[in-house]
Amino acid sequence: DAGVIQSPRHEVTEMGQEVTLRCKPISGHNSLFWYRQTMMRGLELLIYFNNNVPIDDSGMPEDRFSAKMPNASFSTLKIQPSEPRDSAVYFCASTRFSTSGIGGYTFGSGTRLTVV
Amino acid sequence: DAKTTQPPSMDCAEGRAANLPCNHSTISGNEYVYWYRQIHSQGPQYIIHGLKNNETNEMASLIITEDRKSSTLILPHATLRDTAVYYCIVRVGANFGNEKLTFGTGTRLTIIP
Repeated sequence: DAGVIQSPRHEVTEMGQEVTLRCKPISGHNSLFWYRQTMMRGLELLIYFNNNVPIDDSGMPEDRFSAKMPNASFSTLKIQPSEPRDSAVYFCASTRFSTSGIGGYTFGSGTRLTVV
Repeated sequence: DAKTTQPPSMDCAEGRAANLPCNHSTISGNEYVYWYRQIHSQGPQYIIHGLKNNETNEMASLIITEDRKSSTLILPHATLRDTAVYYCIVRVGANFGNEKLTFGTGTRLTIIP
């Protein structure tokens, strides 16, 4: 099991550019989550999907952020245009929902985004 | 989901048991207690969860008080690799459409050689 795979690991971009972060969840998992972590705000949930359908995007900071999950094995988080305040570590996590109760989420290693 | 209160930091000597407390006095009957940890620069790692019974796995033990208003995560023989931020989270378990985890500020545990 390769775990949750995120790419790229590091991204440096100029303000105004489009940034796309990618995530491959664990095979068989049916829930996927995007989190952002900064020193000031800690870990914040941005959006999550169940069975590829967005369920709660209330954490998405503004219209510049969008996320998609075209199939069970791939998700993207896009920022367009990017701003310096978007600099953070972005984590993707996945889990398999079961009616008997939810176990642990598995997190990826994160993408460290720096917008200059 | 119920809020949790954790001490901001703790130290523990290497080889000793690390006991991390968490207060969740407003927990509801259908809310689980989850523990995660985050080692520097890595993604959070699931440790353990429980509803009302004490739980143990290869990583840790979770002790939940009878009234469920508080819990303790126990790392039986702490090593330097256990230095991390530990998050206690309470949330509803099997409720489709409400699976999200909300992280607080956690406890920064430092294992002292």
